[in-house]
Parts: sequence; C-alpha cells; structure tokens
Amino acid sequence: DTAVSQTPKYLVTQMGNDKSIKCEQNLGHDTMYWYKQDSKKFLKIMFSYNNKELIINETVPNRFSPKSPDKAHLNLHINSLELGDSAVYFCASSRQGREQYFGPGTRLTVT
Amino acid sequence: TQLLEQSPQFLSIQEGENLTVYCNSSSVFSSLQWYRQEPGEGPVLLVTVVTGGEVKKLKRLTFQFGDARKDSSLHITAAQPGDTGLYLCAGSTYSGAGSYQLTFGKGTKLSVIP
Repeated sequence: DTAVSQTPKYLVTQMGNDKSIKCEQNLGHDTMYWYKQDSKKFLKIMFSYNNKELIINETVPNRFSPKSPDKAHLNLHINSLELGDSAVYFCASSRQGREQYFGPGTRLTVT
Repeated sequence: TQLLEQSPQFLSIQEGENLTVYCNSSSVFSSLQWYRQEPGEGPVLLVTVVTGGEVKKLKRLTFQFGDARKDSSLHITAAQPGDTGLYLCAGSTYSGAGSYQLTFGKGTKLSVIP
C-alpha cells in the first residue's frame, strides 16, 4: 500500500494556465507538507498544514495555494503558471513533523 | 533563516572505499534526519538522531549527531554501487501548533563505481 501518493506524476502545461496537484496519505498523520525541488535538487518547504494551522513560507508566491478537504489530503493549486514554476513538487506527511514521509513527486514543466 | 551546509556536493568513489558526508549549521536543531533520494523518487528517511553526541548505525552506514546538535555526519563503510544516490540531511525545528519543520541541506550526490 502506498503511504503518500501524488497525482499526476508528470504535468506539462503552458504559461498562464491554472493547475492542481493532488496528494493523499494513508498513514494517519496529522501534518502534511508541500516542497519544491529545483533543478539543482534543493528541497525547499512551501507549506505545512495540520488541522490547526497553515504555515506558509514567505517566499512562496500567492499564486500557490494549498487546499485540504480532510486530514488525509493536501492538494496544491497553482494559478497563472510561469516558466519558473517548473520543478518537481513533493508532498510529505508526518506525525507532528518528527519524521516525514514523502510522495513520489510531480514533475511540472511549464512551456 | 536557518541554513544547513552539506559537503561534499558531489562524490564519486570506487566500490569498497569509505566515505563521509558532512552536514553543518550555526543553528541548533531538535533533531536531524538523513534521507536518501533516487532519481524519479521522493526522499526516503534513513535515520533520525535526537540527542547530542548520538551515534546510530544502519548496516554499513554510521550517523553521528554533534554534541551541540548543530552538525551531523554520515559515514559509509565499503561503499557499494547500491549506495549510489542523493543524500540529504534535514534539521528539525519547532514551528508552532505542535508541528515541526525541516530545513534541508543541498544534498550530496554519491556515485559508487563498480
């Protein structure tokens, strides 16, 4: 059974479009995250979210918005996509952040 | 902003050699984690160290947390081609509301040549 899953695995889209990436975890964790990994493999936190609080990295443009329908899901919605948004996006989950479990990633290519 | 400096950035060695990867920061972390990432996949947790001076072993991998909880090292003995991958260290800090956040180093890309 997959612990943290993401869809789609690959996403190719044009500048200006709006897209969403879905994430689900079946670990019963209370906190979920979105990370961006750039071409140099640097992983940077974008958001962390539990049922109490959304913590946003201040460097993330407001075109990016996390949406959580329930504790097991944290989707990432991106408006007005730009070339610089091309990267691999990882979802992760944890029990209060002690140890994080990552999904397989979504490779976003903006043309 | 907390930073984790990881070194070396790239490492290419022959099978059977030993190696050490370092992770340094000026900040204190509540714990430090090491992950390994293979191409096309997400990072996979290898170990968490919590106590200053702690040493943990995972087969041929030895992890150490510095006494001041600001730095860590990963030592691999007799490296094998299967050890090839991107090794990431990540420091954990409390972010409020009962949650912790990870700050990642930039990674060490290890290639073990048969």
